[in-house]
Amino acid sequence: EVHLVESGGVVVQPGGSLRLSCTASGFTYGFTFGDYAMNWVRQVPGKGLEWVSLINWNGAGTHYADFVEGRFTISRDNSKDSLYLQMNSLRPEDTALYYCARGLYCGGDCYVRQPFDSWGQGTLVTVSS
Amino acid sequence: QSALTQPASVSGSPGQSITISCTGTSSDVGGHDYVSWYQQYPGKAPKLLIYDVSNRHSGISNRFSGSKSANTASLTISSLQAEDEADYFCSSYTTSSTLWAFGGGTRLTVL
Repeated sequence: EVHLVESGGVVVQPGGSLRLSCTASGFTYGFTFGDYAMNWVRQVPGKGLEWVSLINWNGAGTHYADFVEGRFTISRDNSKDSLYLQMNSLRPEDTALYYCARGLYCGGDCYVRQPFDSWGQGTLVTVSS
Repeated sequence: QSALTQPASVSGSPGQSITISCTGTSSDVGGHDYVSWYQQYPGKAPKLLIYDVSNRHSGISNRFSGSKSANTASLTISSLQAEDEADYFCSSYTTSSTLWAFGGGTRLTVL
């Protein structure tokens, strides 16, 4: 069973920066972390889910929600089985629990349309002065 | 405000069936068949139940089923059990740059 562990969430002031990490393990049947697209999804505690960003298997394809407005950068290091989210110019409305979530395997450009089949437990980002 | 509309709450008795709706537009739910449903217990991560409108994810009970008509997708849970009490979220691929939209979530109470 795939195990995703997020880290890096802290309290940061508005306008500040933060880098979230997600480390993966437990891949089976010959598949590796590098075979899957990965996402960041956030959730204000007690509220709904909100998709943030997606990266394809090799990092060449990245996608962001409109609210990101160029402030976040998603990246990955397949040699370390790790996913990252660099967050700059943080706003109070970015306060949320940030989950990393694996895209269902599809093996091609269909990665943009794949749901999220494995999730970490999340890391809490609080933007407050 | 969430992009997709779900009822805030539904309830049912053990053994009954319930249906949760998820209404969007022709730019998301109505435009293709990439609708998925997630179950979330308090304090836990979401879990994928249904994808591509009606495909059950690996290991998911056949008591869970999905369907779609026009701009509205639905999740039906049959033979309700106490363990089904949780929050349920729908999600849809969209034709905008924000690739995925979520519903606001529905709290299922098993009476």
